[in-house]
Amino acid sequence: KQEVTQIPAALSVPEGENLVLNCSFTDSAIYNLQWFRQDPGKGLTSLLLIQSSQREQTSGRLNASLDKSSGRSTLYIAASQPGDSATYLCAVKDNFNKFYFGSGTKLNVKP
Amino acid sequence: EAGVAQSPRYKIIEKRQSVAFWCNPISGHATLYWYQQILGQGPKLLIQFQNNGVVDDSQLPKDRFSAERLKGVDSTLKIQPAKLEDSAVYLCASRLTGGNSPLHFGNGTRLTVT
Repeated sequence: KQEVTQIPAALSVPEGENLVLNCSFTDSAIYNLQWFRQDPGKGLTSLLLIQSSQREQTSGRLNASLDKSSGRSTLYIAASQPGDSATYLCAVKDNFNKFYFGSGTKLNVKP
Repeated sequence: EAGVAQSPRYKIIEKRQSVAFWCNPISGHATLYWYQQILGQGPKLLIQFQNNGVVDDSQLPKDRFSAERLKGVDSTLKIQPAKLEDSAVYLCASRLTGGNSPLHFGNGTRLTVT
C-alpha cells in the first residue's frame, strides 16, 4: 500500500529565507504528484502538479521536483514571506485515480 | 470558474445524533471524492464517485456512514449515529476524469461531536 511521508512536521524560518519541504512515497508506480497548501479552516489549494514523466514544475517562487525512482519530491520556496505561512501537503495519484496524502509540513515564516 | 461548494461550514451535534453534509463540485467534474481530515493529519479517503457510481468505498464505515450522488452532480454524505471519533473536517473534492487533471477541494465542513 502506498505510504506518503512528509518531514519535518513543522518548520519555522525568518522572512526572506529559501526553504525546502520534503515528500517521500513508498511505491514509485505513481501517475503524478501534487503539492497543496492548506490555510487554517480552509480546504486544500493546488499549487503544482508534476506528471510522472516530468522532473520539475515551477510557478512563481515555487519549484517542485520529482525523483520517481527514489520515491522523493521536494517543494522549494524562494524568498519566503509571512503570507507563505500555511500547511503544505503532497499527494501522489495512482493509476486508479486514487490519491494518497502526506500529513503535511506546517510552515511558519516570521516577519 | 466557481469552486467546489460545501455546506454547512460548521456543525456541532451530540453523539448518536445524525448529520448530513452537501457538496456541489465544479461543473463538468465527473469524479468526486469525500475525505475525512483529522487535525494534524492528511485527508483520508471515504468514498470516490465516478458520475453517479461508486468507484471506491473501501474505507467508508458503512455501519454509520452513507453517501450518494444521485444525478452525477451534487453529493451528500451522512453520518448516523455519530460517534465522538467522527469529529473532523469533511472535505469534498472533484476533478475531471482521467489524465493529469488536478484535484480541487472545497473549504470543508468542520464537525464537532460532543
